[in-house]
Amino acid sequence: DAGVTQSPTHLIKTRGQHVTLRCSPISGHKSVSWYQQVLGQGPQFIFQYYEKEERGRGNFPDRFSARQFPNYSSELNVNALLLGDSALYLCASTSLQTYEQYFGPGTRLTVT
Amino acid sequence: GQNIDQPTEMTATEGAIVQINCTYQTSGFNGLFWYQQHAGEAPTFLSYNVLDGLEEKGRFSSFLSRSKGYSYLLLKELQMKDSASYLCAVRENNAGNMLTFGGGTRLMVKP
Repeated sequence: DAGVTQSPTHLIKTRGQHVTLRCSPISGHKSVSWYQQVLGQGPQFIFQYYEKEERGRGNFPDRFSARQFPNYSSELNVNALLLGDSALYLCASTSLQTYEQYFGPGTRLTVT
Repeated sequence: GQNIDQPTEMTATEGAIVQINCTYQTSGFNGLFWYQQHAGEAPTFLSYNVLDGLEEKGRFSSFLSRSKGYSYLLLKELQMKDSASYLCAVRENNAGNMLTFGGGTRLMVKP
């Protein structure tokens, strides 16, 4: 079975641009969460989506938005990029039977 | 809010046993996760504890005491490939699937 997939793997953007990151959860998982991980720190929660609705939001500015599609895949959008947005963006899919949460390989975003 | 503490770094010898501790303070505990993360890679799920006690999975075991707000990850028969960061994360009541992570413990295994 395929695990969580994310695209792209790496991305380089300049300040002020916007970016869209994509995630497909494990087959059968309906809940997707997004995290930001800055080098040397633990991941920070950004959003959770379940059944296409936002179910949780972390302490991130409105420049960050997300959505979930009918097939449970998800997009994370970040507008007006800042240098501080450079990080590893992780998508996690949760089994609602076991509550175990599995991460995708991440998208490494560099803002110059 | 939550406060999750774990040591920043640990060093151990190949073949030995190491215990990585995690303490947390939360208003409504609903489970604790351990993840392994190699440099430049995504976190890999190791364990999920929601009830008190020890859960063993091969060389790795995880323990939880809810009354003490305490967990540990025990790694036995250490191998060089176990050198990685180990992340402790807590899930709270009424927070959906949001996990709050500690800063991670960087484990270095030496020959």
